[in-house]
Amino acid sequence: GAGVSQSPSNKVTEKGKDVELRCDPISGHTALYWYRQSLGQGLEFLIYFQGNSAPDKSGLPSDRFSAERTGGSVSTLTIQRTQQEDSAVYLCASSYLSGYTGELFFGEGSRLTVL
Amino acid sequence: GENVEQHPSTLSVQEGDSAVIKCTYSDSASNYFPWYKQELGKGPQLIIDIRSNVGEKKDQRIAVTLNKTAKHFSLHITETQPEDSAVYFCAASPPANAGNMLTFGGGTRLMVKP
Repeated sequence: GAGVSQSPSNKVTEKGKDVELRCDPISGHTALYWYRQSLGQGLEFLIYFQGNSAPDKSGLPSDRFSAERTGGSVSTLTIQRTQQEDSAVYLCASSYLSGYTGELFFGEGSRLTVL
Repeated sequence: GENVEQHPSTLSVQEGDSAVIKCTYSDSASNYFPWYKQELGKGPQLIIDIRSNVGEKKDQRIAVTLNKTAKHFSLHITETQPEDSAVYFCAASPPANAGNMLTFGGGTRLMVKP
C-alpha cells in the first residue's frame, strides 16, 4: 500500500518481556516519528529520525525504550522489560519534508497491552 | 519547550450545529499550527493547517483562526455531520531551524448526534 504500515497491529505481552514494533514509512519520506498514545490521551512524542542525521531521542521515557531506522527506511521501536504503564498505542508517522512544517502521515498504530 | 493546551476535552453537538475547539500555545516562536482528525482505530490525519503569516484559513466547512498576540488558535466546524465525530488534535511547531518537533494538544473528542 501507499500509506505508513505498522506491525503488529495488536500485541499482548507479559510484564518483563521485550517487544519490537515495526514501521514501514511511505517510500521517499525522509522523516520518521514515533508517538505514544495512552488510552484517551494525547500524542506523546518519542523519537524522530531525519535522513542520516542523529535521531532526536528527547521524548523516550526511559532507557528501556530504543529505536533504530535501517537504511533510512524501516524503523523498529524496542521496549525492553515491559511494564504495565507501557500499555498504549504506538503510532508511527513519516513526512517528506523536515516535518517541522510538513504534513505527517500516520500509520494505524500498534496497540500494546502489558499484562 | 512548547506546551499546547486544548479545550474542551469532549464536545457533543447536534447535527447541523457548529463546533469550536480552542488551543493555546506557549512558545511565541511557533509559526505552524496543524489540526489532525483521528477516527476510531485509525491514525491521525491532517485536515487543515495555518501558518503564522495569516489569521484565518477556510476549507469548506472547516476553518481555523490564529491570534498570535494571544497565542491561541481555534478550529471551527460548521454544519456538523455524524461523520465529523472523531478525536481532533491541534499542534504547534517552531521554525525549522529551532530543532523541535510538533507538540500536540491533549485532543478533543467530538460527538455529533444525529
